[in-house]
Parts: sequence; structure tokens; C-alpha cells
Amino acid sequence: DGGITQSPKYLFRKEGQNVTLSCEQNLNHDAMYWYRQDPGQGLRLIYYSQIVNDFQKGDIAEGYSVSREKKESFPLTVTSAQKNPTAFYLCASSIELRGELFFGEGSRLTVL
Amino acid sequence: GIQVEQSPPDLILQEGANSTLRCNFSDSVNNLQWFHQNPWGQLINLFYIPSGTKQNGRLSATTVATERYSLLYISSSQTTDSGVYFCAVGLMRFGAGTRLTVKP
Repeated sequence: DGGITQSPKYLFRKEGQNVTLSCEQNLNHDAMYWYRQDPGQGLRLIYYSQIVNDFQKGDIAEGYSVSREKKESFPLTVTSAQKNPTAFYLCASSIELRGELFFGEGSRLTVL
Repeated sequence: GIQVEQSPPDLILQEGANSTLRCNFSDSVNNLQWFHQNPWGQLINLFYIPSGTKQNGRLSATTVATERYSLLYISSSQTTDSGVYFCAVGLMRFGAGTRLTVKP
């Protein structure tokens, strides 16, 4: 089945450690996105990528990094510089930038 | 950047009732999407509706792009409709959502 796979679903880390969240899609979409959701809040855009080897900062990129070496993959690294990393992280893709979004199931990160 | 406002923030209904959720946005856009987030956090696509009206079963949506708003209608609500409804526009900026609770 075509879709977006995020892993891991749950992740616990100690403060000061970098964490990488995986996002893989087999929809042949050009555009991919990372969002952060805090409890009771909407989604905020962290980074997006319009095409392979290109990515742009979203509204809350500080403390995060991404890469887009393959069309199918858009991993997100939560660095130790992110002051409040505990959150629900959602990856999405669309055929083209600003097109209809499709989401993965999300990764819940808890930093202890 | 574009501002997205959803109303009401919370809505409680009895099963079988109808409801209307609203999404206002601050700038002209050529895309708009409605989602339902279930209790496990999964975002389910409801409508991609830059303009006009679409219907899918008990749900329908209308976007009036020239007046910068969209409406989501839920008829004959069921308990499984409970959750948070989001709209997203532009570079998929999200509103804060409407939390719907449908009581049996």
C-alpha cells in the first residue's frame, strides 16, 4: 500500500542528546514537510522540501535539521539546541508544494 | 505570514445533531484542506477544497476564496465524529482547530 511511514512511533531520550526521526514515502511525491504539535495546539511547520536536495525553513526551524538526499526520505534531527523538544512530530507529503497533504502516523518524542 | 482562525474552539453536540465549523484566513490562497485528528493523533484527510463545494457522505465543505473563509458541515453527527478538526491553507499553515465532542 502507498503511504507515509514514520518511525519510531514513541521515543524517549535524555536531555542533550540528538534524535533523528525517520519519514519515508512511496507515493512518488516531490514535496515533503515536518510539523510539530504540542498538546491542545495546532500544527506548526518546521521544515519543508519542494524537491530532492532542496529544503527550506518553516516557522519554527531553530534547533532542528533535515536532509533530502532521496525523493522517498526526509529525516528530521532534533538537536540538543532545541529548548523544548518534547512534542508530537508529524511528517507529510504532497505531489507538489502546496498540494493536497497526506500525513504519516506521527512520532511522539519525550525528552527526560 | 498568513493567519488562520477557526471557530468555535470547542463544540459539544448530542448524537444526531448538525454542526458548522468555520475557517477564516487572512490572505488569498489557492489551496485549503480540512482534516480530522482522531484520539490517537492521526490526521485524516476530509477535503482538499480551494474553492466551491464538495460532499462526502454526512460531511460537506464550502470554500469562498474571495471572502477568505471555508465552512465544514457535519450532519447527523455520530460519536465517532469526535476529535479535533483542522483547516490548513497556503504553505499548509494550520489553524488552532475545533474540538468536537459528540455525546451519545
